[in-house]
Amino acid sequence: DIVMTQSPDSLAVSLGERATINCKSSQSVLYRSNNKNYLAWYQQKAGQPPKVIFKWASARESGVPERFSGSGSGTDFTLIISSLQAEDAAVYYCHQYYSAPLTFGGGTKVEIK
Amino acid sequence: EVQLVQSGAELKKPGDSLKISCKGSGYMFGNYWIGWVRQKPGEGLEWMGMIYPGNSETKYSPSLQGQVTISANKSIATSYLRWGSLRASDTAIYYCARVALAGPYDVFDIWGQGTMVTIS
Repeated sequence: DIVMTQSPDSLAVSLGERATINCKSSQSVLYRSNNKNYLAWYQQKAGQPPKVIFKWASARESGVPERFSGSGSGTDFTLIISSLQAEDAAVYYCHQYYSAPLTFGGGTKVEIK
Repeated sequence: EVQLVQSGAELKKPGDSLKISCKGSGYMFGNYWIGWVRQKPGEGLEWMGMIYPGNSETKYSPSLQGQVTISANKSIATSYLRWGSLRASDTAIYYCARVALAGPYDVFDIWGQGTMVTIS
């Protein structure tokens, strides 16, 4: 199984400041034949189902604000919120869909300081 | 509108059986994989398995195989998650989610609202 390790577990950031979340996979999720990283990021707000915000590590989903960016390749990935807004308070999960069993990181809770 | 609507909350006793459902609408249900994801209280997301309603091909998490059964009825655009004998540790919110492409390896782009299952 591919183990996804996120850090930190939680962070408190002031409005307008930058939030950085890291995700590391125990093996590469880069599929060489199409040069795509099978890595997604989800945002889950309290009492709601998760919502995909990035696929292929850096492809922002429609409607996701540009202050969100995803990067990385192979085994190391990063989600950055460049200027935190109140509505960004949530738990963020990375997810590998490279191989079954599909796995998620443990989540990073982002709070407003 | 593409959506998945799940059955309502359940309160069961240890040893009971249970089947919850996930009904799709707004798209060709049989052409997209449906995954099931568990979220225990205060915890993260855990993939349980998935099914392709078009031919009922299934994939299960090794840690859960044998404990649950995933099925689907393409004609009524519904997937099911079934337990034969519930345990207290099955208490969780269960989400169904659609896989974005006509293949198992893509993101979950549409999620159901979740079904809370409480075993007590």
